[in-house]
Amino acid sequence: GAVVSQHPSRVICKSGTSVKIECRSLDFQATTMFWYRQFPKQSLMLMATSNEGSKATYEQGVEKDKFLINHASLTLSTLTVTSAHPEDSSFYICSAPRVGGGHPDTQYFGPGTRLTVL
Amino acid sequence: GENVEQHPSTLSVQEGDSAVIKCTYSDSASNYFPWYKQELGKGPQLIIDIRSNVGEKKDQRIAVTLNKTAKHFSLHITETQPEDSAVYFCAASISSGYQKVTFGTGTKLQVIP
Repeated sequence: GAVVSQHPSRVICKSGTSVKIECRSLDFQATTMFWYRQFPKQSLMLMATSNEGSKATYEQGVEKDKFLINHASLTLSTLTVTSAHPEDSSFYICSAPRVGGGHPDTQYFGPGTRLTVL
Repeated sequence: GENVEQHPSTLSVQEGDSAVIKCTYSDSASNYFPWYKQELGKGPQLIIDIRSNVGEKKDQRIAVTLNKTAKHFSLHITETQPEDSAVYFCAASISSGYQKVTFGTGTKLQVIP
């Protein structure tokens, strides 16, 4: 089936630094990707919709200047957590919908990135 | 916007028994309902989905039912095995895969050997 990868899988950083997380669709093109955040024992909360070639759409309450999203190609979206603080520590997950191509429209999720801010 | 509720939050069953997880949604426009299994430290994995033009779908030990009138859908796992232990999320979405998915709150399933 379709595969979505994320890099890195785990990152530890100091407070105040920036961290970039990559999301790639490996065997299909994705003009849209989604970024989620999941705190321990909670559900996935949508942060933003990443659109190839245009600005990302952020959910209410998500700071666009803190969580920078760049969708530079049809297979890559990046999320940069700027000036990270301990409260940004979370599990970040991306997803990419595979649309058309003779397959039912389905959304595939990456393996997640565990961010720990010290 | 869409709101998805999921019950129960935790579920323990004996190996070999069946497990049922129920979800309700609020937006009548939603027409795609995937179910995901998430193991500790991993991303969600799609296990089965159903679209609004069918009422039931089955894949081996897993089945999903949908009642559009009542706006609820359920996941049924039969002959549970220890490897079924995980957190399961229901979700709802509108139309095509380009639409964002709204997740339920999750059910932690424990299958006791």
